[in-house]
Amino acid sequence: ETGVTQSPTHLIKTRGQQVTLRCSSQSGHNTVSWYQQALGQGPQFIFQYYREEENGRGNFPPRFSGLQFPNYSSELNVNALELDDSALYLCATPQGGELFFGEGSRLTVL
Amino acid sequence: QKEVEQNSGPLSVPEGAIASLNCTYSDRGSQSFFWYRQYSGKSPELIMFIYSNGDKEDGRFTAQLNKASQYVSLLIRDSQPSDSATYLCAVRAGNQFYFGTGTSLTVIP
Repeated sequence: ETGVTQSPTHLIKTRGQQVTLRCSSQSGHNTVSWYQQALGQGPQFIFQYYREEENGRGNFPPRFSGLQFPNYSSELNVNALELDDSALYLCATPQGGELFFGEGSRLTVL
Repeated sequence: QKEVEQNSGPLSVPEGAIASLNCTYSDRGSQSFFWYRQYSGKSPELIMFIYSNGDKEDGRFTAQLNKASQYVSLLIRDSQPSDSATYLCAVRAGNQFYFGTGTSLTVIP
């Protein structure tokens, strides 16, 4: 049990649409990271939030954006969806120097 | 560009054998090293971490780190069919984690 919960677990969108994925973590986890894992690949770092501010970003375009709220929940928003955005999106919190993932949200873009 | 390289496999071992998984990394500034297990359709689960050169044992798992060679390995002793999964190597540099593409392991009963 990592204390990280994601929703929805699965969703299907069409190209050009927008999607919002959500993540909640136990109180005290003030840092949250988002990763994209395409089929057959390892997780790729999208961005990280610490106390509601973005404090790190990977090589993803601006149409990938996020928010972190005072209750430590977080959102990942993706605009203008492309077919290559189909992936497992993982929310993670660092705990004691290690990284723990939620169950993920699997996005399919048709 | 920080890279983490793994042999994608698939690696097949008979039940009870030792499975050996390997990983190399490019960034000498990497501070910590991790092994995750990922079952099909599930999220990665942390199984081992190692910070210092040498070996670290946890049950049937042993992680080995050689910073001079930029090499990390995971040994799984007495492999079980339930160990069949993809194993991801990850390194931490600063506040970012970098993952390999994973090695698929199948343990044959």
